[in-house]
Parts: sequence; structure tokens; C-alpha cells
Amino acid sequence: KAGVTQTPRYLIKTRGQQVTLSCSPISGHRSVSWYQQTPGQGLQFLFEYFSETQRNKGNFPGRFSGRQFSNSRSEMNVSTLELGDSALYLCASSRTSGSKDTQYFGPGTRLTVL
Amino acid sequence: GENVEQHPSTLSVQEGDSAVIKCTYSDSASNYFPWYKQELGKRPQLIIDIRSNVGEKKDQRIAVTLNKTAKHFSLHITETQPEDSAVYFCAAEGDTGRRALTFGSGTRLQVQP
Repeated sequence: KAGVTQTPRYLIKTRGQQVTLSCSPISGHRSVSWYQQTPGQGLQFLFEYFSETQRNKGNFPGRFSGRQFSNSRSEMNVSTLELGDSALYLCASSRTSGSKDTQYFGPGTRLTVL
Repeated sequence: GENVEQHPSTLSVQEGDSAVIKCTYSDSASNYFPWYKQELGKRPQLIIDIRSNVGEKKDQRIAVTLNKTAKHFSLHITETQPEDSAVYFCAAEGDTGRRALTFGSGTRLQVQP
């Protein structure tokens, strides 16, 4: 079974721009969660989507948004980029929402904001 | 919300020795505790997890123990090997029907050959 995939793997943007990241979950997985990983703040939960609905949201500003499509693929959008948004963005998928199922991570998208 | 503290931040051991990483959590409603290993430049990979209905779980050289009363859980790696060198993250999650893993700050384990 193919793992979680993310595109693009690397991205360089400038302040003020916006960016869209994509995540394809493992086949059959309907929950997709997004995390931000930085050296200073570690791994932080952004949001979770399940059956095209946002089920949970972390403590991030409204510039961070996402969506999920009927095939469970998910996109994350960051508008008006700031230098502090430079990070590795990881998505993770699981079969269902909630803690019953294991989450599997994708390789991440490394975003650099100049 | 949940808060997870992880210690130590770095750990250096000799090959063949044991390594122990400890985490404490704040939310008594948390009931799922996974451990992830992240090698440099790679994705976090689940190595073991435990749910609150058991106190210990073992998988070959890796074991996790959970003390619900004290709200702490630990990762034990025995007979360490150089390929165990990585950053290890603990995490906690409640049974709310929604995903929201809260991660510890990570432990960089270095196994010296």
C-alpha cells in the first residue's frame, strides 16, 4: 500500500505571498491532519479534516486554512506569508477520526519564506 | 489544552546500552500515547503506541510503560544500535472522536558505536 504523499517537497516564497500544499492520504484513510514542525516550537497540530469537514483546529491564525476533497486528498493554504511560517509542514492520515487508529505521516513540505 | 513534557532533550549512550526517555502529560482524559522516531530529513515514523487500558507494551527491543495515576509514560530501548540514533517524540491524545496529537519537544538520541 502506498504511503502518505505530499507535494511539493520544497517551496520557496516571499513574504506576503500565499501558498498551497497538497497531501494524499493512504488509500482508505479518511482523516487527514496537518502539523507544523519548527526547531523552536516542535511539532504543532494545525487542523484535522474528516469526510470533507474540519473536525478540529489548533491554535494558529486564520491565515492557515485547509480543505478536503471527496477522495480524501487535502490541501493546506497559508495566506500573507510571514518569515515565521518557514517550517516543515507534515500531514498525517488515519482510517478514522479520533484516537482509535494510528496516524501515518507524509514526508513533509519544507517551506522557506524569504 | 493538553501539555506534554519530554526529557531528556539529548541522550548519548554506548552501543548495547539501554536508553530511557520520559514524558509527562497534563490532561487526565488523554488515553492514547504514541512514540515516533524521526531520522534526519525523514518523516516521523510510529515505533510503538500504548492505550490507557494497558500499563506496558513491548515490541522486540522497544517497550513503553504508562502510569496513568502519575500521568507519565516512558520509552525504553534495550541493546541500542547505531541505527537507533534519531529524534524521538512522544505524544498524547484524548478520546474526543477528533484527532489532535500533542507532541513532546523531542529527544535526540545518539548511540555511540
